[in-house]
Amino acid sequence: QKEVEQDPGPLSVPEGAIVSLNCTYSNSAFQYFMWYRQYSRKGPELLMYTYSSGNKEDGRFTAQVDKSSKYISLFIRDSQPSDSATYLCAMRSGSYQLTFGKGTKLSVIP
Amino acid sequence: EPEVTQTPSHQVTQMGQEVILRCVPISNHLYFYWYRQILGQKVEFLVSFYNNEISEKSEIFDDQFSVERPDGSNFTLKIRSTKLEDSAMYFCALGQGANEQYFGPGTRLTVT
Repeated sequence: QKEVEQDPGPLSVPEGAIVSLNCTYSNSAFQYFMWYRQYSRKGPELLMYTYSSGNKEDGRFTAQVDKSSKYISLFIRDSQPSDSATYLCAMRSGSYQLTFGKGTKLSVIP
Repeated sequence: EPEVTQTPSHQVTQMGQEVILRCVPISNHLYFYWYRQILGQKVEFLVSFYNNEISEKSEIFDDQFSVERPDGSNFTLKIRSTKLEDSAMYFCALGQGANEQYFGPGTRLTVT
């Protein structure tokens, strides 16, 4: 069983839609959870991080963590064509290293 | 968000050659990291570096790899004898803590 599973998509939505991106994980030692956005042939860009179960909001983005289900989500409201990218979840335990999901490719159609 | 540049943007080398990839932080940071991403695969952790020494490394980071901050500014990753399977994007990341790791634009390494 892979440590972090993420549906690779691709996911295609119309502009203005609410997008839901998800990851599951198997390692209960993971305590900290991040979402990155990666444009083609660029470095991952940190969007948000959280460490507790529940929701964390930042503008149009909401990160949700359910540790009991080992499930995290990123919601994007009012999606824009500029949101088209690959979204990576990442997580870590007490160590420094981030364990990434494979990424979900999102296209927002004008 | 801290800025970081990486040089070169693309490096082509022959198998068995040594390569040095450089990361140049624009401002001071405490933590430095190297990750790699083989085409179509996950981003993978290589090593973390804090207070001028390695704090953690993965199984990928074997004796062929080394890191250092030779002048207290640049942060380098050296691969002593490159293999075909070392072809990947290599990302430097840095930050003030382990939860905020900001990635550079990457160096594309192609081993022929």
